[in-house]
Amino acid sequence: KAGVTQTPRYLIKTRGQQVTLSCSPISGHRSVSWYQQTPGQGLQFLFEYFSETQRNKGNFPGRFSGRQFSNSRSEMNVSTLELGDSALYLCASSLDLAGELFFGEGSRLTVL
Amino acid sequence: AQTVTQSQPEMSVQEAETVTLSCTYDTSESNYYLFWYKQPPSRQMILVIRQEAYKQQNATENRFSVNFQKAAKSFSLKISDSQLGDTAMYFCAFIRGGADGLTFGKGTHLIIQP
Repeated sequence: KAGVTQTPRYLIKTRGQQVTLSCSPISGHRSVSWYQQTPGQGLQFLFEYFSETQRNKGNFPGRFSGRQFSNSRSEMNVSTLELGDSALYLCASSLDLAGELFFGEGSRLTVL
Repeated sequence: AQTVTQSQPEMSVQEAETVTLSCTYDTSESNYYLFWYKQPPSRQMILVIRQEAYKQQNATENRFSVNFQKAAKSFSLKISDSQLGDTAMYFCAFIRGGADGLTFGKGTHLIIQP
């Protein structure tokens, strides 16, 4: 069974640009959540989607957004990039909202 | 808001030794779950062990076990017979029953020396 797949794995952007990250959950999983990992702040919850609806949201500015498609694949978007957005963005999927999380390898974003 | 504290930024032990990683948390919730996640150098986070707050019995998974002290809000991870492959960052995490995302501690970098 394929695991959680995140694309792209690495990307470099400049300040002011926007970026879209993609996450394909494990087949059959309906919940997808996103986390930001930085050396300074550690792991922080961004948002969670279940059946195409955002169920929970962390404490991030509106520049961070996401969506989930009918096949449970999810995308997150960051607009007007700032240097502080440089991070590893992790996606996790689970069967349902309270289920065990399975993480992808992450997308490493560098903002110059 | 919930907080999770891991007081040991780094630990190093010899192979085959037993090591205990500490975690304390703060919450006013009564229904919650606690986790230990392992993040090896390849970066993919995997679940090590899970504990439901309503269960008094400590969770065990092979060489991994927890000491869950609900009143003290403490949730330590014990790794027995440590192996080189246990070298990784270990994160303690909390989620309340209503599920609003995991709250992670800052992590403990565990190094198993040969």
